[in-house]
Amino acid sequence: DAGVIQSPRHEVTEMGQEVTLRCKLISGHNSLFWYRQTMMRGLELLIYFNNNVPIDDSGMPEDRFSAKMPNASFSTLKIQPSEPRDSAVYFCASSDRGRTDTQYFGPGTRLTVL
Amino acid sequence: GQSLEQPSEVTAVEGAIVQINCTYQTSGFYGLSWYQQHDGGAPTFLSYNGLDGLEETGRFSSFLSRSDSYGYLLLQELQMKDSASYFCAVKRSYNTDKLIFGTGTRLQVFP
Repeated sequence: DAGVIQSPRHEVTEMGQEVTLRCKLISGHNSLFWYRQTMMRGLELLIYFNNNVPIDDSGMPEDRFSAKMPNASFSTLKIQPSEPRDSAVYFCASSDRGRTDTQYFGPGTRLTVL
Repeated sequence: GQSLEQPSEVTAVEGAIVQINCTYQTSGFYGLSWYQQHDGGAPTFLSYNGLDGLEETGRFSSFLSRSDSYGYLLLQELQMKDSASYFCAVKRSYNTDKLIFGTGTRLQVFP
């Protein structure tokens, strides 16, 4: 079984540009999590979905960030406009709620905003 | 607020045993997980404690004491490949998937 798939793996962009990060869940999983990791702030949960519905978006930094889950297997995290302080590694993770609470992380997207 | 405290760094030599502690203060507690993350990699699940006591998985064991709001990860027969960051994470209730992660402990294993 393929694990969580994220794209792109690396993204370098200029301040003010729109950035879209993509995530494909493990087949059969019904919960999706977006995390951001930096040296200063550690691993932060931005938002999570269960059965395509956003459950908790309290970690989304501000209106520049938005996340969608258009179907059961795919999600996007969009930053518009991007700022240098958004530079971080963004992980998505999925889990099979109701069976196990283990979260399976994707390889991450390393975002650099110049 | 929610807080999970871990030592920032631990060092040990190959073959040794090391214990990484996690003390939590959260509004609600359901279970404690441990994740490993190698440099440049993604966190991967190691173990879960829902009840007090010790859970053993090969060279790794994890312990939980709910009354003390405390847990630890025990790594035995350390190998160089165990050099990584280790995170504890709290699940606060049955009906949430959300995990609150600790700040992580960087383990360096020396030959």
